[in-house]
Amino acid sequence: AQSVAQPEDQVNVAEGNPLTVKCTYSVSGNPYLFWYVQYPNRGLQFLLKYITGDNLVKGSYGFEAEFNKSQTSFHLKKPSALVSDSALYFCAVRVVQTGANNLFFGTGTRLTVIP
Amino acid sequence: SAVISQKPSRDICQRGTSLTIQCQVDSQVTMMFWYRQQPGQSLTLIATANQGSEATYESGFVIDKFPISRPNLTFSTLTVSNMSPEDSSIYLCSGSYQGHTEAFFGQGTRLTVV
Repeated sequence: AQSVAQPEDQVNVAEGNPLTVKCTYSVSGNPYLFWYVQYPNRGLQFLLKYITGDNLVKGSYGFEAEFNKSQTSFHLKKPSALVSDSALYFCAVRVVQTGANNLFFGTGTRLTVIP
Repeated sequence: SAVISQKPSRDICQRGTSLTIQCQVDSQVTMMFWYRQQPGQSLTLIATANQGSEATYESGFVIDKFPISRPNLTFSTLTVSNMSPEDSSIYLCSGSYQGHTEAFFGQGTRLTVV
């Protein structure tokens, strides 16, 4: 069975500081990994994905994430946080070998960037 | 990327009634999914909407409660039947293209059952 863990319900960071939102996964096969962001009263917006290749992937709005196979992690990062980054962030996984196309989501991390 | 429109965006419904949520995609997508996001929680897959055939439901979700239609590659509906307050959630439609790994989401339908 596959699962995704986001160990922090809430992350607070000062504007201009680097931010990290953590994600670990457990799958029986090779994972495709994703980050989504949800603003209030909005759907989910795709930020970035890891499929294969370079472990560091870059996405929208200056976000990046690093795939670490040995630690089964896919942490989301940004060098300098903006107040507008405040939102709910979801990590998700899709397992290639199962043939399923749906995503399994973590519980979400609420990021608050303090001015 | 696909633009997915859902309506209604929100509704307040009486218990025992049913609500049908519509999902329209601006292009033909291979896969469509319906998710539920209960207050303060993550997304849970309800079912995969299959074009021209019965949807594939996840454990804990049944067709009688959540009938789904998908008459073509750009449109799907989810009905929440015989609603109770426990059905109060955000319902999200999602789509993805063949050969693309990421999924795109509608803005969601916020349902409150009173």
